[in-house]
This record gives sequence, C-alpha cells and structure tokens, in this order.
Amino acid sequence: DQQVKQNSPSLSVQEGRISILNCDYTNSMFDYFLWYKKYPAEGPTFLISISSIKDKNEDGRFTVFLNKSAKHLSLHIVPSQPGDSAVYFCGARSGAGSYQLTFGKGTKLSVIP
Amino acid sequence: EAGVAQSPRYKIIEKRQSVAFWCNPISGHATLYWYQQILGQGPKLLIQFQNNGVVDDSQLPKDRFSAERLKGVDSTLKIQPAKLEDSAVYLCASSLVASGIIWNEQFFGPGTRLTVL
Repeated sequence: DQQVKQNSPSLSVQEGRISILNCDYTNSMFDYFLWYKKYPAEGPTFLISISSIKDKNEDGRFTVFLNKSAKHLSLHIVPSQPGDSAVYFCGARSGAGSYQLTFGKGTKLSVIP
Repeated sequence: EAGVAQSPRYKIIEKRQSVAFWCNPISGHATLYWYQQILGQGPKLLIQFQNNGVVDDSQLPKDRFSAERLKGVDSTLKIQPAKLEDSAVYLCASSLVASGIIWNEQFFGPGTRLTVL
C-alpha cells in the first residue's frame, strides 16, 4: 500500500517556464513533507520541506504547497533551468514512533533549453 | 564538511552469495539509516539506528539482512544469502536526530549499486 504517490513518472518543461510536480498521500499521521532531488549516480539531496501546520513554504525558485484536506502537495519551480533536470522524490515523515520517511516513486523532470 | 561515505560503489555477485556494504555518516550525526532503492521506486527504509541502538527495523528482511552500528559511528549492512530481487541501490543516510518537532534533514550518501545475477 503506497502511502505517498507520485502519479507522473516524467515531466518535460521548457527552460524559463514553471515546473509543477505533484504528490498525494494517504497517511494522516504525516507531520512533515519534503522534496529531494536526485541526479544519476548520486544520492538524493534535500530540496525543501514543509510542516503540516503550514500551507506554503518558499525558498528562492522553489515553492511547496500543501493542501491537507486534499492530502496533496506540489512543488513549483519558477523559472525552470536545465540544471533542474533530475528525479524529484516526494517524501513524508511520520509524526510518531520512529519518525521514518516514506518516499514516492519519483518524477523525472527534464528542462529543455 | 565531509558528506556520508559509502563503499563499495558497485558490486556484482551471484545469487546465494553474501555481500556487505559500509557506511560512514557525517560526524556528529546520531541517527543513521539504510534504504533500499529498487529501480523505478523511491527509497524504502530498511533500518534506522539512533547512536548504536536500533530504532526501527520493521522493513528489514531479517532472514537474510543484518545491520550493525558498532560504537555509534560506522555501520555495515549485510545480505546473506542474496536473491535476485535484492538487486537495488543501497543508500545510507544520516541526520542529527530523528525525532522531535523540528525537521532534521537526512543527508544521503552516493549509494552502492548491487547487481545479483
């Protein structure tokens, strides 16, 4: 049973335009949501997070939106750059017990120059 | 600041053989994690250590997988015997602490790509 779902395996966007990556979750116990970026042959690197008590967090070109009632979050990248081309994983932290992270399957973003 | 180190980077073995992976976390990080990432999937937590104690190993196939973190620093993950479905990238991550109201970033190593033939 997938608790974190990224339904789009891939996304292509023109350089300079907005990239929107989506993520849905099912577990109401998640208290933190986050995005990691992964380049080939490298480990994932942290990008941005949001607490469940907020609905928006912004860091430069990256903004994460959280809609708790819909159990949905999205990552906006504006403007998109070729260096943003990577696999993006949505993750969520359980707010109890071991506080482990659960990740989605990832979305491969390609930014076309 | 040095990142999370893992070795080897690549390993090819035949099924039923054994294999071990090594991880050196970021200095001062109390929490260490081992993840398994199968091709096309997101990382899945196998085991989580807090210092040298196991916090969560609920998703570790204990009949063939084992892990230890002696002295609360380096860690090894072992598979014995390996199966074809164990082919994956094994990621090690570390963070300052795991619990609490503050989000503590997990820093990932480059991973070990295991191929079981």
